[in-house]
Amino acid sequence: GAVVSQHPSWVICKSGTSVKIECRSLDFQATTMFWYRQFPKQSLMLMATSNEGSKATYEQGVEKDKFLINHASLTLSTLTVTSAHPEDSSFYICSARDTRLAGYNEQFFGPGTRLTVL
Amino acid sequence: AQTVTQSQPEMSVQEAETVTLSCTYDTSESDYYLFWYKQPPSRQMILVIRQEAYKQQNATENRFSVNFQKAAKSFSLKISDSQLGDAAMYFCAYRRVTLTGTYKYIFGTGTRLKVLA
Repeated sequence: GAVVSQHPSWVICKSGTSVKIECRSLDFQATTMFWYRQFPKQSLMLMATSNEGSKATYEQGVEKDKFLINHASLTLSTLTVTSAHPEDSSFYICSARDTRLAGYNEQFFGPGTRLTVL
Repeated sequence: AQTVTQSQPEMSVQEAETVTLSCTYDTSESDYYLFWYKQPPSRQMILVIRQEAYKQQNATENRFSVNFQKAAKSFSLKISDSQLGDAAMYFCAYRRVTLTGTYKYIFGTGTRLKVLA
């Protein structure tokens, strides 16, 4: 099946710094990737939809200047948390759609990145 | 707006027994997809089963099956012959198509399944 990787799997940073999280589709092309945020023991909340070669579409309430998304290629999307603060600490999950599977259109999830801001 | 509700925060089942997880959703659309995802302690989301709304037949994947009641907007997951490895958080999800043609997934709050040996 399709594999999605995320890097890093765990990152700790100081308040005020920026952190970049990478999401890669390893064996398929993904024109669309999704970024989710999951708080402890809670559901996944969609943050934004990342489209290759165009601007990301952010969900209501998500600050686009704080959560910068770049989808420069068909296999890579990045999420940069700028000027991170402790309240940004969370589990961030990306997912990708395999453009070949038009009949199913399911998304494949990455393993997630745990961000801790001190 | 579409919503997905999982009314059971936690369920327990004895090993080898059967358990049913509930999910209801609200939508005015007629064509959509529904999914059940499993999130084990590793936090990796794993697709368990999917159902296309236009198909009346309930989806089945080995020990996993769904009871899809479109009129009632209900989508429950039945796990037969439960195994210790089934212990995880289970999320029900609804997929809709946005005005721009992209897909958006809406997740329920999850049900934590415990399997007792």
